[in-house]
Amino acid sequence: GAVVSQHPSRVICKSGTSVKIECRSLDFQATTMFWYRQFPKQSLMLMATSNEGSKATYEQGVEKDKFLINHASLTLSTLTVTSAHPEDSSFYICSAKRGLSDTQYFGPGTRLTVL
Amino acid sequence: AQKITQTQPGMFVQEKEAVTLDCTYDTSDPSYGLFWYKQPSSGEMIFLIYQGSYDQQNATEGRYSLNFQKARKSANLVISASQLGDSAMYFCAMREKGTDKLIFGTGTRLQVFP
Repeated sequence: GAVVSQHPSRVICKSGTSVKIECRSLDFQATTMFWYRQFPKQSLMLMATSNEGSKATYEQGVEKDKFLINHASLTLSTLTVTSAHPEDSSFYICSAKRGLSDTQYFGPGTRLTVL
Repeated sequence: AQKITQTQPGMFVQEKEAVTLDCTYDTSDPSYGLFWYKQPSSGEMIFLIYQGSYDQQNATEGRYSLNFQKARKSANLVISASQLGDSAMYFCAMREKGTDKLIFGTGTRLQVFP
């Protein structure tokens, strides 16, 4: 199988605080992980591509200082939303690519609510 | 520019019937990959099926099959013998040229009724 987990599944925080979301590939090593954002009733928007041991590549319009991504190992990538504001409230979902396979396997997502 | 189009915002199907979800794509790259994902209300994205541009045969995975018509640039998903648990959003996606990135369509909400 190709199982990807995310933690936490749901988080509520106050405006101005930082939130860290973890993405783990449980049964395979993921050299590349991806972070997406999804607004209600909309499609997924890629935020950044994360490669193990190197800096993440951010999509146009995504603030890299606000959305910090770290891919410290072949099984773990983290997304930290710094100084969160209500407009950052969204569904964040990660995916992992296994080896040379084209297929991305997704985590269950994290619903962030900033008050 | 590469693009994925899903023209059906919503579809209804009766249990045990087959349903086709449409997907067309646009790319100038001869090498590409096409994917279908299911997103139930819980939010997780479940990989269903993959079709490579050079694959000679249509991909099949259990009750899912991909009707790949290269000349028409379409990659429709066919779900046979629909079940109530098939009710979800379905997204078609394409691997972007020269990268690992996926481009997603806007999705189709499928509702299966008894």
